[in-house]
Amino acid sequence: SQELEQSPQSLIVQEGKNLTINCTSSKTLYGLYWYKQKYGEGLIFLMMLQKGGEEKSHEKITAKLDEKKQQSSLHITASQPSHAGIYLCGALRRDYKLSFGAGTTVTVRA
Amino acid sequence: GAGVSQTPSNKVTEKGKYVELRCDPISGHTALYWYRQSLGQGPEFLIYFQGTGAADDSGLPNDRFFAVRPEGSVSTLKIQRTERGDSAVYLCASSPGLGLSGANVLTFGAGSRLTVL
Repeated sequence: SQELEQSPQSLIVQEGKNLTINCTSSKTLYGLYWYKQKYGEGLIFLMMLQKGGEEKSHEKITAKLDEKKQQSSLHITASQPSHAGIYLCGALRRDYKLSFGAGTTVTVRA
Repeated sequence: GAGVSQTPSNKVTEKGKYVELRCDPISGHTALYWYRQSLGQGPEFLIYFQGTGAADDSGLPNDRFFAVRPEGSVSTLKIQRTERGDSAVYLCASSPGLGLSGANVLTFGAGSRLTVL
């Protein structure tokens, strides 16, 4: 969707290194979701942010929301092979629909 | 059930045939969504239900696509006169309710992969 831009489109990171994915919305956000998807599987919920400046962490994954800029970032610390997959951001709109970015494919090299 | 269940997981059909895809949401979830995901793309919204009624079907691409949820639980996505362009993964998701609350997280099924030859 053009409403949500994710960058980069893909990235390769050495195991143990950090990585960051960005998501920018061109429309008002009522919530920002991060999901992870592995090939042939459904989306796994990671976390949801709603308030400006909010930051959430789960294990080695941290997400932040900049409400003014309508942006969110997802940061993975000390990446592991289990972090490989497609990361999708989803924007919650006022009509209760969740619209998604095109995704960022993460490859972790041993 | 414990999660969102979708059947079949894979469906291969010929152009022009009729297809039904089924979604069994998490028990008690009143909201149910259908999305379509093409290779290399994010999920694209099709329709969502609150209870038995389709609250928003603005994402259905044309009148060959139809979805029902007669008893407010299981939903069926129906595609008539399938075309090669319909080939995609069809994802279903459910949530406890509708609204902008953080409690209404969408839980997705594994998807139904449709291939139209």
